Amino acid sequence: QSALTQPASVSGSPGQSITMSCTGTSSDVGGYNHVSWYQQYPGKAPKLLIYAVSNRPSGVSNRFSGSKSGNTASLTISGLQAEDEADYYCSSYRSTSTLVVFGGGTKVTVL
Amino acid sequence: EVQLVESGGGLVKPGGSLRLSCAASGFTLSSYNMNWVRQAPGKGLEWVSSISSSGNYIYYADSVKGRFTISGDFAKNSLYLQMNSLRAEDTAVYYCARDHTGWFDFDYWGQGTLVTVSS
Repeated sequence: QSALTQPASVSGSPGQSITMSCTGTSSDVGGYNHVSWYQQYPGKAPKLLIYAVSNRPSGVSNRFSGSKSGNTASLTISGLQAEDEADYYCSSYRSTSTLVVFGGGTKVTVL
Repeated sequence: EVQLVESGGGLVKPGGSLRLSCAASGFTLSSYNMNWVRQAPGKGLEWVSSISSSGNYIYYADSVKGRFTISGDFAKNSLYLQMNSLRAEDTAVYYCARDHTGWFDFDYWGQGTLVTVSS
């Protein structure tokens, strides 16, 4: 069982917006603004989409946005495209001996 | 261009050892914290270990503490992971990853190297 809880799957039609959640505790997501989101295609390395809750690295589309409320962080993909079909993982700094925790991942399907 | 290239994976028996390498190019290892992250087949991501840019601060996940050792060679611009007392549950693709801000957000990843622990 992963430390952060993500829905197993989310789906949407092209052009729609979808939002996926990432729920932790006050020791990780709720306690720090160090939440990241990654996109991963099968057989490929993850790609950083969002860091520090809502910041996008250079080159990442502005269709991806992040937010946080309490112990839950969220990733929104707007204007959904076929190429967005992938697995998405959240991560957070945690104030325990294991410093970084990931969610179990959310599979996004574009209908 | 930033590149990370892992090597050293393979098949090893339970209780055995393996040393992974990660060759970095396009940036200086001594300027960034570096990490190892693994992914078991069909499973999610799991952070394994981190080493600070100075090499002075080293951290491990509880699941590997006492068995794995992370190190860096600044002269060779390379990162390493020495894995001892390997278990079946260590089977995974191992990625090296660069820390973007120093708060465990990983902006560059290698292609990964597969470690299989099986008799």
